[in-house]
Amino acid sequence: SQTIHQWPATLVQPVGSPLSLECTVEGTSNPNLYWYRQAAGRGLQLLFYSVGIGQISSEVPQNLSASRPQDRQFILSSKKLLLSDSGFYLCAWSAQGASIYGYTFGSGTRLTVV
Amino acid sequence: AQSVTQLGSHVSVSEGALVLLRCNYSSSVPPYLFWYVQYPNQGLQLLLKYTSAATLVKGINDFEAEFKKSETSFHLTKPSAHMSDAAEYFCAVTAWTGGFKTIFGAGTRLFVKA
Repeated sequence: SQTIHQWPATLVQPVGSPLSLECTVEGTSNPNLYWYRQAAGRGLQLLFYSVGIGQISSEVPQNLSASRPQDRQFILSSKKLLLSDSGFYLCAWSAQGASIYGYTFGSGTRLTVV
Repeated sequence: AQSVTQLGSHVSVSEGALVLLRCNYSSSVPPYLFWYVQYPNQGLQLLLKYTSAATLVKGINDFEAEFKKSETSFHLTKPSAHMSDAAEYFCAVTAWTGGFKTIFGAGTRLFVKA
C-alpha cells in the first residue's frame, strides 16, 4: 500500500535561518506531489506542485522553494526564514492523471519562526 | 476557474444530533468534489468524493454528501454526531482548466457537545 512520510513533525527556527522539510512517498511510482501551507484559522494554500523529477510549478511567489531530486522525494526549502513563514506545512500526493480521485496527505510539519 | 465556499467557520452540535456542514461550489466545467477531515496537528484524510457517478456519496464513519447540481452544493451530513467527530472539515473541488486544479474551502470546525 502507498504511504507518505513527512518530517520533522514540529520545528522552531529563528528568523533568517534556513529551512528544509522533506516528504517521501512509498508504494507508488511517478506521483504528483504537492506542498500546501495552512495558516492558523485559514484554509490550505498551494505552494508548489510537481509532476516529475526536476519539474516544479510555483503557485505563490514567496520566500520558499521546492525541489524533487528523486521520483518519490519532495523537499521544501528556504534560505532565510521570515516570521510570516510560520504555519502548518502539508505534503500530499496523487496518482498521475488521477487527482480527480483525491489526495493523500502527510501528517504535516508545524513550523514556528521566532 | 472554480471556487468553494464553506458556510460557517464553526458549527456546534450535541452528541447524537444531526451534523450538517455546508459547501457550495462554482465551476464552469463538471466538477469533482471532495470532503476531507483534519484532526488536530494531523494531515487531511479523505472522507468521501463525488466523481460523476451516484449523486449521493457515502464515506467513512457514516458521513455522506449529496451532489446537487441545481444548487451547486455538496453538503456533508451525518445522522448522529459522536464526540470523535470533532475536527475540521474541508470541502474541495477539482476541475479541468487546462489541467486538473484543486481548490480547498476555508474549512469548518465541528464541535460536539456532550
